Amino acid sequence: GNSVTQMEGPVTLSEEAFLTINCTYTATGYPSLFWYVQYPGEGLQLLLKATKADDKGSNKGFEATYRKETTSFHLEKGSVQVSDSAVYFCALRSGGYQKVTFGTGTKLQVIP
Amino acid sequence: GAGVSQSPSNKVTEKGKDVELRCDPISGHTALYWYRQSLGQGLEFLIYFQGNSAPDKSGLPSDRFSAERTGGSVSTLTIQRTQQEDSAVYLCASNPRLGDEQFFGPGTRLTVL
Repeated sequence: GNSVTQMEGPVTLSEEAFLTINCTYTATGYPSLFWYVQYPGEGLQLLLKATKADDKGSNKGFEATYRKETTSFHLEKGSVQVSDSAVYFCALRSGGYQKVTFGTGTKLQVIP
Repeated sequence: GAGVSQSPSNKVTEKGKDVELRCDPISGHTALYWYRQSLGQGLEFLIYFQGNSAPDKSGLPSDRFSAERTGGSVSTLTIQRTQQEDSAVYLCASNPRLGDEQFFGPGTRLTVL
């Protein structure tokens, strides 16, 4: 079956540091890949997505590239801000199957 | 515009009682999803609806869990004879058609004492 593995948190960084949150997946076919973000006290919201190999999703300074050869979709940001403190979830949806499979989430804390 | 809404936001109940959780999807969204988020766990898929029908109920953890959707809109997730392990945040999401981004509600935090 489908599965998503992401690095465990919490991750604590200083403001303006470089961020990488690793995500690897197992799926049948050619999945679509997502990063969702959950800010404190808020619901999940889509941060970025990629639907085919070598696609790069980007939003709010965050980027992730769909790497089929390594089955990875690592999230990166060059310079984090305190406002980026949240829980980040990697997820996939495979083919016509509508269930989205999520990773366990990585909590990011950015300190001034 | 209005997003996905869920009620109640918090529910505390005693073991063995039944609970109903409600989800109001974004108007016009035909697909609706229920997930469960337990402490230290990822999001666990429970069930999804396309219109009023549920093609995939594979994630329901036991026969104590059921869900329905009426009028292609509001959905209710019912948990009968609640157990302490049912304590979690129950999230609802919707999207306008299959395959699009899912829009999540704020969740219902269920605590079973």
